[in-house]
Amino acid sequence: DAGVIQSPRHEVTEMGQEVTLRCKLISGHNSLFWYRQTMMRGLELLIYFNNNVPIDDSGMPEDRFSAKMPNASFSTLKIQPSEPRDSAVYFCASSLGTGIHTQYFGPGTRLTVL
Amino acid sequence: AQTVTQSQPEMSVQEAETVTLSCTYDTSESNYYLFWYKQPPSRQMILVIRQEAYKQQNATENRFSVNFQKAAKSFSLKISDSQLGDTAMYFCAFMKHGRGGADGLTFGKGTHLIIQP
Repeated sequence: DAGVIQSPRHEVTEMGQEVTLRCKLISGHNSLFWYRQTMMRGLELLIYFNNNVPIDDSGMPEDRFSAKMPNASFSTLKIQPSEPRDSAVYFCASSLGTGIHTQYFGPGTRLTVL
Repeated sequence: AQTVTQSQPEMSVQEAETVTLSCTYDTSESNYYLFWYKQPPSRQMILVIRQEAYKQQNATENRFSVNFQKAAKSFSLKISDSQLGDTAMYFCAFMKHGRGGADGLTFGKGTHLIIQP
């Protein structure tokens, strides 16, 4: 079975540009999580969805960040406009919304904002 | 809010030795889950082992086992017969049982484990 798929794997952009990160959930999973990893702050939860509904977006840094689930298997995380401090590795993870709720991570997107 | 503390930024052991990584957490929740994830240089986050807080029996997965002490809020990971492929960052993570199902993970800062040949 395919795991969580993220694209692109690497993104280099200039300050002020719009960046869109994409994530495809594992088939059958109904919970989706976006995390950010930096050296200074470690792994932080940005937002998560259950059954396409955003449940907690308190980790989203500011209004420049937005996340959507246009359908049950796909999500986007958009940064507009991007800033150098947004440089990080962004992970998405998915899980079944029942049982032990183990989250399975995608390979991550390394974002560099110049 | 929950916090997870990993007090060992880095550890180094010889191949085939046993090593224990420590993790403590703070929460007022009574129903939750604990996890250890491994992150090798490829940066992929890989689940190592998981524990439900309501289970008294410690989880084991082959060479990996945990020592879960609920009253002390401690969740250490033991790796037996360590192998070179175990070299990685190890993250301890906490998840409360959400009302509507899954909830987000709170991670510790990680322990960089190096297995020496």
